Amino acid sequence: SQQGEEDPQALSIQEGENATMNCSYKTSINNLQWYRQNSGRGLVHLILIRSNEREKHSGRLRVTLDTSKKSSSLLITASRAADTASYFCATVSNDYKLSFGAGTTVTVRA
Amino acid sequence: GAGVSQSPSNKVTEKGKDVELRCDPISGHTALYWYRQSLGQGLEFLIYFQGNSAPDKSGLPSDRFSAERTGGSVSTLTIQRTQQEDSAVYLCASTRWGHQETQYFGPGTRLLVL
Repeated sequence: SQQGEEDPQALSIQEGENATMNCSYKTSINNLQWYRQNSGRGLVHLILIRSNEREKHSGRLRVTLDTSKKSSSLLITASRAADTASYFCATVSNDYKLSFGAGTTVTVRA
Repeated sequence: GAGVSQSPSNKVTEKGKDVELRCDPISGHTALYWYRQSLGQGLEFLIYFQGNSAPDKSGLPSDRFSAERTGGSVSTLTIQRTQQEDSAVYLCASTRWGHQETQYFGPGTRLLVL
């Protein structure tokens, strides 16, 4: 069963704008990860945030984690056409098994 | 170094036939995972290998699905008597021992059962 649920399901923005997507989960986690998938094929790991962290940055990516609300957000700043993809959050419990949500499809218009 | 590779990239088969999907993990990665992704959905965990043993097979949807791993490297996912609902992208990922939190994914095998 899926642990994470992303919101919104789809997002369309203009190049240069910021994109924000959210992820909610149900059970306690060891860490939460965000992945990107282009054209329905392999996933690329973007960023990992541990349960004792609240915010993390990587380039144009900013991730927050609120364990009290069991939610996370991914912000992509200054979006580019190449950011067009599906974005998935995945939670890791103590067994290190990734549980994925259904994803947010982001379209960046030129 | 080389990433995770999977073969074939695409497979079209007839209902009732058996198929074998192959995954070559990154050299030295001891943990290997299989996932299934149906159209427009997130990933569904199937099975996890640590070395050649599979401590977690909980995600295999039915007894038509099986997987093995030999030599702590290549893994094969076999689907017997395929059904149309088996159509999906099958993704493999590997991780290093002690670094099991970051999974490196292969490009997937797109399976279509007619």
